[in-house]
Amino acid sequence: GENVEQHPSTLSVQEGDSAVIKCTYSDSASNYFPWYKQELGKRPQLIIDIRSNVGEKKDQRIAVTLNKTAKHFSLHITETQPEDSAVYFCAASKNSGGYQKVTFGTGTKLQVIP
Amino acid sequence: NAGVTQTPKFQVLKTGQSMTLQCAQDMNHNSMYWYRQDPGMGLRLIYYSASEGTTDKGEVPNGYNVSRLNKREFSLRLESAAPSQTSVYFCASSEFSWGDTEAFFGQGTRLTVV
Repeated sequence: GENVEQHPSTLSVQEGDSAVIKCTYSDSASNYFPWYKQELGKRPQLIIDIRSNVGEKKDQRIAVTLNKTAKHFSLHITETQPEDSAVYFCAASKNSGGYQKVTFGTGTKLQVIP
Repeated sequence: NAGVTQTPKFQVLKTGQSMTLQCAQDMNHNSMYWYRQDPGMGLRLIYYSASEGTTDKGEVPNGYNVSRLNKREFSLRLESAAPSQTSVYFCASSEFSWGDTEAFFGQGTRLTVV
């Protein structure tokens, strides 16, 4: 099955700096890559996603890049703010028997230091 | 609009007890999911229901059963709780197959088995 590895597990940055979280996946059939943000004690929420026919997607301070050849995708947060502090999960999804099967990474705890 | 609602939010069980976690969504979504979240392991799929009347095993189904009661409700049952089932449980739903459409999470149920 699909295996998604996520690094680093923890990340501390100064407010205003950039943060990068990287994920790799194993199954070349994966075609959808969402990123979820989970604040402490709250539910995961989608912040950005990318499909396999796109190399990069940006939404204000957040961007995601995808390298299908290398099976890598990354989340980039620029001009970090304290409210960006949370756990971020990447995921890879592929069609399995007519249904999209989603596999999550293990999460990155991001701390933005004011 | 409540979205995805889970009950209870917290529960303590003794080993061998049974319980049912309830989940309801008011977004008229077809697909529903149950995940467990453990430290350092991300979110792992227990069971899912692609549409009303169907359920399928996910990555970690042992020790659990599910019922898709109707289009709105998807319950998770622990027949004989074990300490290894101590976890945070999340229900989620999506309009169609996740990957084609966004999935929305409930607020989670923190279960402790002693």
